[in-house]
Amino acid sequence: GDSVTQMEGPVTLSEEAFLTINCTYTATGYPSLFWYVQYPGEGLQLLLKATKADDKGSNKGFEATYRKETTSFHLEKGSVQVSDSAVYFCALLTGANNLFFGTGTRLTVIP
Amino acid sequence: EAGVAQSPRYKIIEKRQSVAFWCNPISGHATLYWYQQILGQGPKLLIQFQNNGVVDDSQLPKDRFSAERLKGVDSTLKIQPAKLEDSAVYLCASTKAGGSQETQYFGPGTRLLVL
Repeated sequence: GDSVTQMEGPVTLSEEAFLTINCTYTATGYPSLFWYVQYPGEGLQLLLKATKADDKGSNKGFEATYRKETTSFHLEKGSVQVSDSAVYFCALLTGANNLFFGTGTRLTVIP
Repeated sequence: EAGVAQSPRYKIIEKRQSVAFWCNPISGHATLYWYQQILGQGPKLLIQFQNNGVVDDSQLPKDRFSAERLKGVDSTLKIQPAKLEDSAVYLCASTKAGGSQETQYFGPGTRLLVL
């Protein structure tokens, strides 16, 4: 069945460090892929998305590329800030409009 | 544009009691979703509505959970009777038409603790 496997956390980085959070998926067909972010005390917010192979989603300095050959959608940021501290969820949307989430990765950025 | 609204934000009940959550989607959004997010896990879909009809409720524990969207706008999710393992955050989301590439917009969630 459809599923998402996400790098387990927690991840702790110093400010300005490089971030990678790994995400791989299993799906039939051609899903859309998403990264959602959940800041402390807030709801889930869409961070970025990609709807087809080789698409790159980007927002707020974060990027992720839809890699069909490796079934991956890794999240990257070149220089993290304290304000990026949050829980990040990788998700895939199937053709039946079902959104499957990974378990989430908690990122803490220290000054 | 107002986002997805949910209430209450927090609820504490004892096991075997009943509880109801309310969701108001973004204006004009035809599709509404309820998710359950257990601590340390990603959200899991419980039920999906298209207007006032159920599209998918295959993951809803129907012996204790029920949901309705009678007029195709607001929705309520009920648990009766609650169990300890129902402690979770209940998230509501909506999309304009439920198309295959539409972004789901989430509300702040209702955090339920069952004692």
